[in-house]
Amino acid sequence: DVKVTQSSRYLVKRTGEKVFLECVQDMDHENMFWYRQDPGLGLRLIYFSYDVKMKEKGDIPEGYSVSREKKERFSLILESASTNQTSMYLCASEGTGMETQYFGPGTRLLVL
Amino acid sequence: TQLLEQSPQFLSIQEGENLTVYCNSSSVFSSLQWYRQEPGEGPVLLVTVVTGGEVKKLKRLTFQFGDARKDSSLHITAAQPGDTGLYLCAGPRPLTPLVFGKGTRLSVIA
Repeated sequence: DVKVTQSSRYLVKRTGEKVFLECVQDMDHENMFWYRQDPGLGLRLIYFSYDVKMKEKGDIPEGYSVSREKKERFSLILESASTNQTSMYLCASEGTGMETQYFGPGTRLLVL
Repeated sequence: TQLLEQSPQFLSIQEGENLTVYCNSSSVFSSLQWYRQEPGEGPVLLVTVVTGGEVKKLKRLTFQFGDARKDSSLHITAAQPGDTGLYLCAGPRPLTPLVFGKGTRLSVIA
């Protein structure tokens, strides 16, 4: 079974803190994604990556950066957390040309 | 940019009732997918429909792709509390990244 794990299920941070969200997949997938999910707004793509050290901006990259130093790991970084970044963050991975996108369980981030 | 509109946004029904949710686009999609997200979890793929007019069944769930490949529907027969969740449509495959609809949040009350 494909497994996508996220470092934390729940996270509480203060405004201005640097926040790291980690995602690891165990199926050697090339493509990895970070989404945020908010009520009424659905899933919005923040960043994605097709390969190690590659990154592409999604629909809402402002205030975020990413790192992909190893194929299995894709990190989302909030350089200076703000209250409007309070959200559910979902990581996903997929093999190139494959049908299924596999999601992690999500990290619910609260920025105070 | 291709967009997917889902309706209704919310649906609350009694156990045993039937329901249909919809996914519509102004653009033609080469394929559409349906995902279900249970509370506290990430979305999980249910089905991919590829051919216009295609119907796929997954136990009590019936998925249909419109003839013009601009719309899709999900029909649930005799809904159960375990069907509760957020239903998302997405596409098109094999392209990436996927476009997701905003989802239909279904609550089935026992």
